[in-house]
Amino acid sequence: DVKVTQSSRYLVKRTGEKVFLECVQDMDHENMFWYRQDPGLGLRLIYFSYDVKMKEKGDIPEGYSVSREKKERFSLILESASTNQTSMYLCASSPTGRETQYFGPGTRLLVL
Amino acid sequence: QQQVKQSPQSLIVQKGGISIINCAYENTAFDYFPWYQQFPGKGPALLIAIRPDVSEKKEGRFTISFNKSAKQFSLHIMDSQPGDSATYFCAASGLGDDKIIFGKGTRLHILP
Repeated sequence: DVKVTQSSRYLVKRTGEKVFLECVQDMDHENMFWYRQDPGLGLRLIYFSYDVKMKEKGDIPEGYSVSREKKERFSLILESASTNQTSMYLCASSPTGRETQYFGPGTRLLVL
Repeated sequence: QQQVKQSPQSLIVQKGGISIINCAYENTAFDYFPWYQQFPGKGPALLIAIRPDVSEKKEGRFTISFNKSAKQFSLHIMDSQPGDSATYFCAASGLGDDKIIFGKGTRLHILP
């Protein structure tokens, strides 16, 4: 079974803090993705990566950055957290990107 | 042109009834149409997918109907059960794409 794990299920941070969300996959997938999920807005793509050290902006990259130093690990960074970044963050991996994506359980982030 | 429009946003169906969720797209280059199912507290997971060379695909109680000329596809859940209560996302991608375009999701509630 493909397993995608995220470092935290729940996270509470203060405005202005630097926040790291970690994602690890165990299936040697080339492609990894970060989404945020908000009620009524569905899944919005923040960043994705198709190879180590490669990254592409998604639909809503502002306020976020990413890092992929190893194939299995994809990190999402909030340089200075703001209250409008309170959301559910979902990581996914995929062998091809455009076909089956395997999602982690999500991190619910609250920024106070 | 990259959008996938999904309706309804929410749906309530009696146990044993048929649940129908609809999606429409504009990009004629799309050639892969998956549906994802997400239970509360979990990440989305692939439920069923179709390619445009067939008009229908059935897996158990779940059926995708595809209308290429209308650029529409739908998910039918026959004999809906309370355990089917979840959020459903339609999606699409095209050859050469490195990501999936998701609809905004439908929250389905099956009344016991």
